[in-house]
Amino acid sequence: RKEVEQDPGPFNVPEGATVAFNCTYSNSASQSFFWYRQDCRKEPKLLMSVYSSGNEDGRFTAQLNRASQYISLLIRDSKLSDSATYLCVVPNAGGTSYGKLTFGQGTILTVHP
Amino acid sequence: GAGVSQSPSNKVTEKGKDVELRCDPISGHTALYWYRQSLGQGLEFLIYFQGNSAPDKSGLPSDRFSAERTGGSVSTLTIQRTQQEDSAVYLCASSPRAGGFGNTIYFGEGSWLTVV
Repeated sequence: RKEVEQDPGPFNVPEGATVAFNCTYSNSASQSFFWYRQDCRKEPKLLMSVYSSGNEDGRFTAQLNRASQYISLLIRDSKLSDSATYLCVVPNAGGTSYGKLTFGQGTILTVHP
Repeated sequence: GAGVSQSPSNKVTEKGKDVELRCDPISGHTALYWYRQSLGQGLEFLIYFQGNSAPDKSGLPSDRFSAERTGGSVSTLTIQRTQQEDSAVYLCASSPRAGGFGNTIYFGEGSWLTVV
């Protein structure tokens, strides 16, 4: 298993749809996780953190399944402005460096009218 | 400034030249990261610094790449004898401390490097 692996996408969904992305990680000792959003030619920005079983913020829900070693991001009622690349981030993904943050390859989401 | 500041924002250099990219982290942040992102690709970890500890250099792709952090603040990423495959955006980020737990990392806008 790769240290961090995301759904390849791209996801093309209509406005109002619900869409979910998964991200698997290899190090069972990883403690906390993040979802970042990256717009085209911009830097990544934090969307959500996930420390325990899950976290919800408005239309966005992040869940953590430690047994199966994956995190998910659910977006409800998609907006055009949600179109972006979504990156999952795993600390110490390789198990050898506590502070190292490994990014997944990203999942591209396009929301269309 | 309030955010992570990187310079130059854009750099075009000839193959074989050396380049230096600078990162000024958020004041008080002890952890500093460098990532590289090629066009259409994900973020590739290069190096991170945490306080006075030895940096984790495990992501540096070759010995042409080096980075230092002076006084626990400003960092410089140096690429010697640049090659065309070095063309990418180099992103710097900082966080209050390394480890990820409870920490948000904040990115600068990146230095866009083109090697011709």
